[in-house]
This record gives sequence, C-alpha cells and structure tokens, in this order.
Amino acid sequence: DQQVKQNSPSLSVQEGRISILNCDYTNSMFDYFLWYKKYPAEGPTFLISISSIKDKNEDGRFTVFLNKSAKHLSLHIVPSQPGDSAVYFCAASARREGGKLIFGQGTELSVKP
Amino acid sequence: NAGVTQTPKFQVLKTGQSMTLQCAQDMNHEYMSWYRQDPGMGLRLIHYSVGAGITDQGEVPNGYNVSRSTTEDFPLRLLSAAPSQTSVYFCASSYDPGFSGNTIYFGEGSWLTVV
Repeated sequence: DQQVKQNSPSLSVQEGRISILNCDYTNSMFDYFLWYKKYPAEGPTFLISISSIKDKNEDGRFTVFLNKSAKHLSLHIVPSQPGDSAVYFCAASARREGGKLIFGQGTELSVKP
Repeated sequence: NAGVTQTPKFQVLKTGQSMTLQCAQDMNHEYMSWYRQDPGMGLRLIHYSVGAGITDQGEVPNGYNVSRSTTEDFPLRLLSAAPSQTSVYFCASSYDPGFSGNTIYFGEGSWLTVV
C-alpha cells in the first residue's frame, strides 16, 4: 500500500510559467513533508520541507502548500527555469514511527525554453 | 569530508550470487538507510538503522540483509540475487531522521543488474 502517491509521472511547462507538482498521502501520522529533486545518475537532494503544523512554506521560487484535511500537498515553482528540469519526489515521515522517510513515485518535470 | 560513499557504483550479478553493497559516512550520523529506485515506483525504503547495533525493516526488506556494527558503515547484503533486485540503490544518512529534510545526505547510487 503506497502511503505517499504522486499520480502524475510527468509534467511539461514553459519557461517562466508556474510548475505545480502534487502529492497525496494516506498516513495521518505523518508530521513532516519534504520535496527532493533528483538529476539522472545522482542522489536526491533536499529542496524544501513543511511541518504538519503549517500550511505553507516558501523558499525563493519554491513554495510548498499542505492541506491536512485533504491529505494533499503541492510544490509550486515560480517562475520555472530550464534548470528545474528533473525528477521531483515527495516524501513524508512520522516521528512516532521512527522517522522512516517514505517517498512517492516521483514526477518528471520538463521546463521548455 | 567525503559525505556518504557507496561502492560499487556498477555491478552485474548472476541469479543466485550474493554480494554486499557498501555504504560509509564520515559525518557521525546515527541514522542510516537504504533505498531502491525503480521506474514508476519511486524510492522505496529497504532497511534502516537508528544507531549502531539497531536495524529495522522498511517497505521492501525481503531478499536483503543489513547490519550496523559501527556508526560509519551500513552494508546491504543480497544473499541470493534475483532479477527482481535489478535496481538503483541509494544509501542515506542523517543526524535527524527525516524531520527537517535538509539533514539527510544521499550517496550517488549503485546500479545493480541481476541476469
């Protein structure tokens, strides 16, 4: 049973426009949510995170929104740049479950010039 | 400061062979974990450890064995390799497991093919 789901395997966006990546989860024990970015042949790198007590966290061009009632979070990238093209993974952890970090399937973002 | 080092980077195994993927970190992190990445499946947690001598199963532990005799090393053993274990494997370490995200460091990955 996939506890963290990213239902869109790919997303294509024009440079300068907004990219919105979505993520759904099922485990109500999750108290921390994170987004990772991954380039081919490299390990994932941390992008941005949000605690379950917040509904928004912003870092430069990246904003993460959390809707706990819907068990849904999203990552907004504004404006999108060609260098943002990568696979983005949503992840979640539950402190009371030992802090295991559970990842979604990933969404491949392509930003076209 | 090497961070998280995985070896080997590439390996081809025959079905039934055994091998160990090595993972070492030099940051004195207590928390270490192994993931596998497969197309359409994302990163799935195999095993993790919250400190030397302590290990636990993740989402897909079958066919893999781990031990944590030191803080620095967390090897992943395939006892009898199967084609279904063809994947890219990532080791990660952290002093703060998952809670703030930017404290988790991933290795560069190990590409394993089982024929």
